[in-house]
Amino acid sequence: DGGITQSPKYLFRKEGQNVTLSCEQNLNHDAMYWYRQDPGQGLRLIYYSQIVNDFQKGDIAEGYSVSREKKESFPLTVTSAQKNPTAFYLCASSPLLSFNQPQHFGDGTRLSIL
Amino acid sequence: AQSVAQPEDQVNVAEGNPLTVKCTYSVSGNPYLFWYVQYPNRGLQFLLKYITGDNLVKGSYGFEAEFNKSQTSFHLKKPSALVSDSALYFCAVRDRVNYGGATNKLIFGTGTLLAVQP
Repeated sequence: DGGITQSPKYLFRKEGQNVTLSCEQNLNHDAMYWYRQDPGQGLRLIYYSQIVNDFQKGDIAEGYSVSREKKESFPLTVTSAQKNPTAFYLCASSPLLSFNQPQHFGDGTRLSIL
Repeated sequence: AQSVAQPEDQVNVAEGNPLTVKCTYSVSGNPYLFWYVQYPNRGLQFLLKYITGDNLVKGSYGFEAEFNKSQTSFHLKKPSALVSDSALYFCAVRDRVNYGGATNKLIFGTGTLLAVQP
């Protein structure tokens, strides 16, 4: 079955450490997204990519970085500059410019500070 | 700017009773609206969407939603709630650029926790 795989499911970060969250999709979607979910705040867009080797900042990009070297993969790095990284991170994908199609989501990575 | 509001943080309903989860939106042009459900420690699952056409949209797991243009609302409904419906529900609207064209980005509400008591 096609879908989105996020790994790891749980991740712990030490002070001053960068960590990378993996997102892989086999839906053949062009567009991919990273969201951060905090209690009571809904989903906030961190970065999104509509095509390989191109990506745009979302609403809360500071302290995060991404790459899009392959269509199937969109890893997110939480850098040491992100002072409050504890959250649930969700990756999503969708066809490009198909506005009536929903985004598909992975099962998330929960990041905590040690 | 486009936005979506879910005015209730939590909705409580008894099993077997009808349920409504409210959503209102603000968007330039015709809205593309979506409902998602999230179970604990899981991603979001798509329930239903409104793009155009009938104001009553039917979706997965017996859910439906009513689009009301004059009230700018898109409330989620189910005639008879199940305990297994207990979850976090998100309403979303597709973002639009300044000249009115839709984008791939979604704007999400803050979510409503549905609790169904047996």
